[in-house]
Amino acid sequence: GEDVEQSLFLSVREGDSSVINCTYTDSSSTYLYWYKQEPGAGLQLLTYIFSNMDMKQDQRLTVLLNKKDKHLSLRIADTQTGDSAIYFCAERWNSGNTPLVFGKGTRLSVIA
Amino acid sequence: DGGITQSPKYLFRKEGQNVTLSCEQNLNHDAMYWYRQDPGQGLRLIYYSQIVNDFQKGDIAEGYSVSREKKESFPLTVTSAQKNPTAFYLCASSIGTGDDTEAFFGQGTRLTVV
Repeated sequence: GEDVEQSLFLSVREGDSSVINCTYTDSSSTYLYWYKQEPGAGLQLLTYIFSNMDMKQDQRLTVLLNKKDKHLSLRIADTQTGDSAIYFCAERWNSGNTPLVFGKGTRLSVIA
Repeated sequence: DGGITQSPKYLFRKEGQNVTLSCEQNLNHDAMYWYRQDPGQGLRLIYYSQIVNDFQKGDIAEGYSVSREKKESFPLTVTSAQKNPTAFYLCASSIGTGDDTEAFFGQGTRLTVV
């Protein structure tokens, strides 16, 4: 079955890099996602990676995928106070309209 | 502007009453989803619909009902059978096929049972 695991909390100092980790169990996952949720709001897509890729970089965000270990990470460079939020890892297998399966979310706290 | 709209943002319900949460999208997406979010639980899937007039149960469908009579709309009814309905409810939509696989989320409805 599908299952996505994340650590629940991460605290970093402003200006440092943050690394949020995620493991998934469904080897047939074709797309893996990172979403950001600010307090009281919906989810905003940050980035996604296809399962045939190892890395994707987008400005301050770097996603690394280790298919062998089923491990996904999100690195935020030069973390700012505005990055404080909950970050969700999600997987989708098969076609584009199957539901996403989410982890429980990692709450990132940035200390000024 | 294209997007997905949930209403109301806050909703209070007395125990024993049914209540309907609205979700509308003008993105021309085929698929729509309802998730429930509780602190420390992440998002859990309630129902989803891949096409008009069709929907499937998710992991926690008991005590909920949905309809999909129009492509743009996917209302969720929280019935009195739902034992613990207080939660944050999120609606999402996605295009059915192609490279654009992003799921777009509404801003959520916070339901409180009083």
